[in-house]
Amino acid sequence: NAGVTQTPKFQVLKTGQSMTLQCAQDMNHNSMYWYRQDPGMGLRLIYYSASEGTTDKGEVPNGYNVSRLNKREFSLRLESAAPSQTSVYFCASSEVLESTDTQYFGPGTRLTVL
Amino acid sequence: AQSVAQPEDQVNVAEGNPLTVKCTYSVSGNPYLFWYVQYPNRGLQFLLKYITGDNLVKGSYGFEAEFNKSQTSFHLKKPSALVSDSALYFCAVPVGGFKTIFGAGTRLFVKA
Repeated sequence: NAGVTQTPKFQVLKTGQSMTLQCAQDMNHNSMYWYRQDPGMGLRLIYYSASEGTTDKGEVPNGYNVSRLNKREFSLRLESAAPSQTSVYFCASSEVLESTDTQYFGPGTRLTVL
Repeated sequence: AQSVAQPEDQVNVAEGNPLTVKCTYSVSGNPYLFWYVQYPNRGLQFLLKYITGDNLVKGSYGFEAEFNKSQTSFHLKKPSALVSDSALYFCAVPVGGFKTIFGAGTRLFVKA
């Protein structure tokens, strides 16, 4: 039981390049999330998926797109990377989209945009 | 506006001493409250949560937290700190549906 896995762990991009961050969970969770973590700012929600086949914007969705490929996988795409997107990205999952439900996090992807 | 505050960027404590990591919140209604821990180069891990009932919540690794409604606080505590407790700690408050507000984090440093 690997929990939540993310690839890659590190990535360096040049401004304007695109890339996709991959996330998978093996806990049969319905809901999945993408966050970014910036120093002194906690975590901010980029996009979430309440269940397979649905995605919605979070607090900071500009510059990102997502795909819920199936129940296990939720990818985050940067179409044209900008230096402001330099951050650590975390994928998380929870059994359902409920306030009381614990979220389980992946190890993160450290992205640098030059 | 709904918010979560962790007033200390860093907490330093000697091994064996008690530790407290502070969290205060401002949300409407009866809050749910979470603590997560992040070890270096790892994702956040769940420590404990308050939903309702007993104001003292016990969690993983010997941690506990006390919900204080009058002071709108949910401080994380441990009676005897270990060097291995050194990490980044986040207080979090779900505010409905998909949205959770995370505090900025407090770095705990336990010195041997």
